[in-house]
Amino acid sequence: GENVEQHPSTLSVQEGDSAVIKCTYSDSASNYFPWYKQELGKGPQLIIDIRSNVGEKKDQRIAVTLNKTAKHFSLHITETQPEDSAVYFCAANPGVLQGAQKLVFGQGTRLTINP
Amino acid sequence: DVKVTQSSRYLVKRTGEKVFLECVQDMDHENMFWYRQDPGLGLRLIYFSYDVKMKEKGDIPEGYSVSREKKERFSLILESASTNQTSMYLCASYGGPRSNEQYFGPGTRLTVT
Repeated sequence: GENVEQHPSTLSVQEGDSAVIKCTYSDSASNYFPWYKQELGKGPQLIIDIRSNVGEKKDQRIAVTLNKTAKHFSLHITETQPEDSAVYFCAANPGVLQGAQKLVFGQGTRLTINP
Repeated sequence: DVKVTQSSRYLVKRTGEKVFLECVQDMDHENMFWYRQDPGLGLRLIYFSYDVKMKEKGDIPEGYSVSREKKERFSLILESASTNQTSMYLCASYGGPRSNEQYFGPGTRLTVT
């Protein structure tokens, strides 16, 4: 089955610098790659996603890139701010479960923004 | 705004007890999920339900069962809690192919002693 590896497990950056989190997946049939952000005491929330027919997607300070050949995708956060501190999860979908996207999640990255 | 609520934020149970974790969503979603979250392991799918009374096993169903008697409510049951089930449990509902988003509840941190 699908396996998603996420690195690094922890990341600390200075406020205003950029942060990059990387994920690799194993199932070449996966075609949807979301990123979720989990703030302290809350459930994960979708922040950006990308489909396999697109190489890059941007939404203000966050962007995601996808390399289908190498089977890896990355989250880029520019001009980091204290409110970016959270745990980030990447995911890939190895198929559809009765009409819903099954997601396999990475291990998570704890991002800390230092003032 | 989609709201997914879970019955408890924190729960402490003894080994061997039967434990019920409840999840309610208010958006009439057909698909609901139960995950457990452990450090270094990410989120792992326990069970999935695609309609009332319909369920499918996820990647780690052993030791768990589920119940979906009403569309808005999805319950996770630990028949006989064990210490290795100490974890954070997250419920999610699926917004459909237009959004592709899974909406998560705040989680229940379960400790089994």
